Amino acid sequence: GENVEQHPSTLSVQEGDSAVIKCTYSDSASNYFPWYKQELGKRPQLIIDIRSNVGEKKDQRIAVTLNKTAKHFSLHITETQPEDSAVYFCAAHNNNDMRFGAGTRLTVKP
Amino acid sequence: EAGVTQSPTHLIKTRGQQATLRCSPISGHTSVYWYQQALGLGLQFLLWYDEGEERNRGNFPPRFSGRQFPNYSSELNVNALELEDSALYLCASLVGGWANVLTFGAGSRLTVL
Repeated sequence: GENVEQHPSTLSVQEGDSAVIKCTYSDSASNYFPWYKQELGKRPQLIIDIRSNVGEKKDQRIAVTLNKTAKHFSLHITETQPEDSAVYFCAAHNNNDMRFGAGTRLTVKP
Repeated sequence: EAGVTQSPTHLIKTRGQQATLRCSPISGHTSVYWYQQALGLGLQFLLWYDEGEERNRGNFPPRFSGRQFPNYSSELNVNALELEDSALYLCASLVGGWANVLTFGAGSRLTVL
């Protein structure tokens, strides 16, 4: 089955800096790669996603890149704000299930 | 449009008992996924149901089981509860089988004493 690895497990940045979270996946059949943000005590919420026919996608301060050959994808957050502090999960979806990375706890210091 | 709803919100059981958790997907969604999130940890895939059938299961023992009803709602059953089963159980739904947005419910927090 699919295996998703996510790094780093924790990330601390100063407000205004950029944050990058990286994930790798194992199943070449995976074709959909969402990113979720989970604030403390809340459910995971989709923040951005990318499909395998696209190399990059951007939504305001958030961008995701996908390298199908290397089987890795990354989340980039620019101009970070304290409200970006949360746990971020990447995921890979093939035709069997959706598997998640272990999560990255991002802390943005004011 | 109502989101994914889960019940109960909290459940306290003792070791050896059985727990049943319920999930109602978004209207029109035929696929339901279950995940286990232990405190401070990631989302571990439990089960996937689509069109009333179990399509795949994660690396969990057989005492974790479930089903999907004709109205696409689902329930997760955990038999012979163990202390390490204490976790937040999240249900999520999507339209179609794959490659679509997965929407999560608020979860059911199970505590095993």
